[in-house]
Amino acid sequence: QSVLTQPPSVSAAPGQKVTISCSGSSSNIGNHYISWYQLLPGAAPKVLIYENNKRPSGIPDRFSGSKSGTSGTLDITGLQPGDEAEYYCGTWDMGLSSGVFGGGTKVTVL
Amino acid sequence: QGQLVQSGPEVKKPGASVKVSCKASGYAFSMYGVSWVRKAPGHGLEWMGWISGYSGKTNYAQKFQGRVTMTTDTFTSTAYMELRDLTSDDTAFYFCARDRCSGSNCPRAQIDFWGQGTLVTVSS
Repeated sequence: QSVLTQPPSVSAAPGQKVTISCSGSSSNIGNHYISWYQLLPGAAPKVLIYENNKRPSGIPDRFSGSKSGTSGTLDITGLQPGDEAEYYCGTWDMGLSSGVFGGGTKVTVL
Repeated sequence: QGQLVQSGPEVKKPGASVKVSCKASGYAFSMYGVSWVRKAPGHGLEWMGWISGYSGKTNYAQKFQGRVTMTTDTFTSTAYMELRDLTSDDTAFYFCARDRCSGSNCPRAQIDFWGQGTLVTVSS
């Protein structure tokens, strides 16, 4: 089991919005920044969101992140076929003294 | 922005060791750390550990303690990850990633960008 909890899958039609949740605890999300990563098959992971809600240059504003307490959320609006991928949340866990990730969420564009 | 370029695919027998390299360019290597993360088939991302590009200080995930060694060569801005006593469960893509934490008093796993990945296959 992963330290951070994500839904295994979400889906929506093109143009719609999906929301991916990431639940943790006070030893990780509650006290540290959360990041979000996109994994496309055969490609290196891409940073979509860092420090809870910041986008690296080149990441469209269709991707947005937020954090509240011990949970974080990634929203993808205006869903596109190219958004079909696995998405992971990640952060630091001070109790484990380790980086931790969610189990990943598969996004399907219907 | 910077770039991380990893070494090529490896095929190893059970019980062997593998050493993956990760060459940084385009940024000041000593001002950042390097996290190592792997992704096995059918599994999620797994953080293996971190090394400071400044001091060489390391922080390994408990699961890999005693079996992994991370090092750096500051002259060539290259990070290395060696994993020993390989089993089929170690078959995975191994990624290095630039980590915003370079010192002792900051949370690790704050990743800026990733290397392209190195496939390590363990098979008899």
